[in-house]
Amino acid sequence: ETGVTQSPTHLIKTRGQQVTLRCSSQSGHNTVSWYQQALGQGPQFIFQYYREEENGRGNFPPRFSGLQFPNYSSELNVNALELDDSALYLCASSLDRTAEAFFGQGTRLTVV
Amino acid sequence: GESVGLHLPTLSVQEGDNSIINCAYSNSASDYFIWYKQESGKGPQFIIDIRSNMDKRQGQRVTVLLNKTVKHLSLQIAATQPGDSAVYFCAENNAGNMLTFGGGTRLMVKP
Repeated sequence: ETGVTQSPTHLIKTRGQQVTLRCSSQSGHNTVSWYQQALGQGPQFIFQYYREEENGRGNFPPRFSGLQFPNYSSELNVNALELDDSALYLCASSLDRTAEAFFGQGTRLTVV
Repeated sequence: GESVGLHLPTLSVQEGDNSIINCAYSNSASDYFIWYKQESGKGPQFIIDIRSNMDKRQGQRVTVLLNKTVKHLSLQIAATQPGDSAVYFCAENNAGNMLTFGGGTRLMVKP
């Protein structure tokens, strides 16, 4: 176990809906990164939060947004869901931006 | 990250044999690389890392080789065990844990 927990484990949404995924980082970790992993592919970086601020962003549209809270837990929000958003969403936390990143087990999102 | 479509390359080895998993990267400025293991239903798990000032790094039963000239990484697993069956990814870590993953290789260990 990495100490990084994600909820929910599985989720089914309809195209056009909105979804919020949650990540509880390992204790003391101030950096959280989110990744999208389509079936049969490697994870793709969505964005990173460091001390409650967005610190970097990958090639994802603005309908992917996030938050980091004072306790360093984080949310990923996706608006106007599309079928291609179906994927495993992973979060990873680290002590800071240079330390080893630990991944949660992911949230499997299915858009129908 | 790179896309290899729906079908991951698969390496099938006999238990006890050595495994070699390869990865090509595209950014010649990359200076820090990590190998991850991902088992079914789990997130990626750190195996070993290497910085660009090294050619080789060894861990417990694993060795990573880096060839910067051809932008190639390999992961060698000695005496492969059934528990090593998983998907393996290499990742470039160029900017503070904002990782760029390769497409992955599925390792299947035959008893």
